[in-house]
Amino acid sequence: AQKITQTQPGMFVQEKEAVTLDCTYDTSDQSYGLFWYKQPSSGEMIFLIYQGSYDEQNATEGRYSLNFQKARKSANLVISASQLGDSAMYFCAMREGLTQGGSEKLVFGKGMKLTVNP
Amino acid sequence: NAGVTQTPKFQVLKTGQSMTLQCAQDMNHNSMYWYRQDPGMGLRLIYYSASEGTTDKGEVPNGYNVSRLNKREFSLRLESAAPSQTSVYFCASSEPGTGRPYEQYFGPGTRLTVT
Repeated sequence: AQKITQTQPGMFVQEKEAVTLDCTYDTSDQSYGLFWYKQPSSGEMIFLIYQGSYDEQNATEGRYSLNFQKARKSANLVISASQLGDSAMYFCAMREGLTQGGSEKLVFGKGMKLTVNP
Repeated sequence: NAGVTQTPKFQVLKTGQSMTLQCAQDMNHNSMYWYRQDPGMGLRLIYYSASEGTTDKGEVPNGYNVSRLNKREFSLRLESAAPSQTSVYFCASSEPGTGRPYEQYFGPGTRLTVT
């Protein structure tokens, strides 16, 4: 079974609108971490946001927020007020269990492409 | 700060050739990682190193070897390249307790083609 599922291959959104990118995960661990990364067409991987499984509040980082629903095993990324520069591939990732020796072994989803239209 | 640097940026190999991908970071991070990214597959962890002198297998280690030369450098070696190793390779580093502790900092990637 896939650990991370991103079912939306692509989405389109109008500039200044909010958009939700879906991510579901599969783990039997009680302690885990969920991440979102952005990959623009230039190819670099950019960290956006992190949510720990024991964090009581949903994570926020500027225009990014993570809608964490533990019982449903979903960790959707919400981008408010989309900008043209948000057009990119977006990857959801998970670290199962505790950090091992300070290292985060991540499992990535297949990603989804977001296009922001002017 | 250069962050995470990778060399080369592009490489074409013939089947059976060997090569080493180089990665260096100047952020004094203990943990370093090698990933590969195939079209439609997301990133998959090949090997990682929690500290100087230690390395561990990730999800797809077959066909690769790694060396953590020192705290700064983590190299990935393909001993006998195969077409299935055509991919984009990313190096990353991280250090809990610094900045945003769970963030992995990625290099720009190496695009490798094996013919």
